[in-house]
Amino acid sequence: GAGVSQSPSNKVTEKGKDVELRCDPISGHTALYWYRQSLGQGLEFLIYFQGNSAPDKSGLPSDRFSAERTGGSVSTLTIQRTQQEDSAVYLCASRKKGLAGDQETQYFGPGTRLLVL
Amino acid sequence: SQQGEEDPQALSIQEGENATMNCSYKTSINNLQWYRQNSGRGLVHLILIRSNEREKHSGRLRVTLDTSKKSSSLLITASRAADTASYFCATDEGNTGKLIFGQGTTLQVKP
Repeated sequence: GAGVSQSPSNKVTEKGKDVELRCDPISGHTALYWYRQSLGQGLEFLIYFQGNSAPDKSGLPSDRFSAERTGGSVSTLTIQRTQQEDSAVYLCASRKKGLAGDQETQYFGPGTRLLVL
Repeated sequence: SQQGEEDPQALSIQEGENATMNCSYKTSINNLQWYRQNSGRGLVHLILIRSNEREKHSGRLRVTLDTSKKSSSLLITASRAADTASYFCATDEGNTGKLIFGQGTTLQVKP
């Protein structure tokens, strides 16, 4: 079946502009995660959505970052007034959610490579 | 913040040799997972080991977990050039599934 997809694959923007990154999780997966991978920081958790519950935003680095998940499926990560330090690969993952077998596994998308000039 | 450390940071071996990577973490966990990443893009899940398990196998992969030492190891046997990639351990601390990643080990397998 289809995996997690992300768009765009690459995004180049100018400092100060807003960007939106999209994630389409695997159908039926109730949990969705955003991570960021940058050269200096490795892989960092950003935000987590589970069903209709309030998202866990504890990993967002500043109030310029926000995310939403519409209809329990597609998610959009928005970065306002981008800065050069926002340059990174943004990875989305989804999970079926559960404690049995494969339901603990997170499936990652290919990522969006963001470059802020 | 990073949960732990992996070592070595880089490993270069010949095809056919075994590769061992180690991961240490700091807090109590529900499970520990190993992922592989090619060319800095999407992560591929390799294997998951739960906190009450000590060893797990999947094909040429063997993972061990020592919760008393808060450490895990990933062994790749009979390595192939196609195993060249970065390998990350990630811990799941609670019920959310929020993963905390190590810094990764870059493995190069020379043909």
